[in-house]
Amino acid sequence: GENVEQHPSTLSVQEGDSAVIKCTYSDSASNYFPWYKQELGKGPQLIIDIRSNVGEKKDQRIAVTLNKTAKHFSLHITETQPEDSAVYFCAATPSNQFYFGTGTSLTVIP
Amino acid sequence: NAGVTQTPKFQVLKTGQSMTLQCAQDMNHEYMSWYRQDPGMGLRLIHYSVGAGITDQGEVPNGYNVSRSTTEDFPLRLLSAAPSQTSVYFCASSYSAFRFDNSPLHFGNGTRLTVT
Repeated sequence: GENVEQHPSTLSVQEGDSAVIKCTYSDSASNYFPWYKQELGKGPQLIIDIRSNVGEKKDQRIAVTLNKTAKHFSLHITETQPEDSAVYFCAATPSNQFYFGTGTSLTVIP
Repeated sequence: NAGVTQTPKFQVLKTGQSMTLQCAQDMNHEYMSWYRQDPGMGLRLIHYSVGAGITDQGEVPNGYNVSRSTTEDFPLRLLSAAPSQTSVYFCASSYSAFRFDNSPLHFGNGTRLTVT
């Protein structure tokens, strides 16, 4: 099956700085790459996603880039705020199953 | 719409006991799935269903059973609980089983299970 690796596992940034989280995948059949944010005690919520035929997508302070050749994709958060503190998961979907990364715990220091 | 509803929120079991984790969605979603979340291991797929009457195994199915008799409900059964099944369990659903880019996963808020 698909193997998704996510780095770093923890990330601390000062408020206002940028944060970058990186994921790699193994199955070239993967064609959809969502990112989820999980707050304490809650289920993950979709924050942004990208299809395999798109290289970059942006939504306000959040952007995702995809390099199909290298099989990696990244989440970029600019102008970080304390409410961005959470655990972030990437995922890849080669079929009708989601394969998730191991998560990144982001802390934004005021 | 309530979205994806999971019950109970917390459960403590003794080794060998059985129980059912409930999951219901009111969005007429075709696809439903169960994940377990363990520290440092992300979310791992246990079982999934692409429609009523159809289920299939995910990455970590051993020790768990599922059924899908209606579109709305997808219960997860632990047949004989073991300490290794201590985890947080999430149910998730999607409108389409084959076009996630048009219908991403919606998660419930989880069930925290402890097996002693």
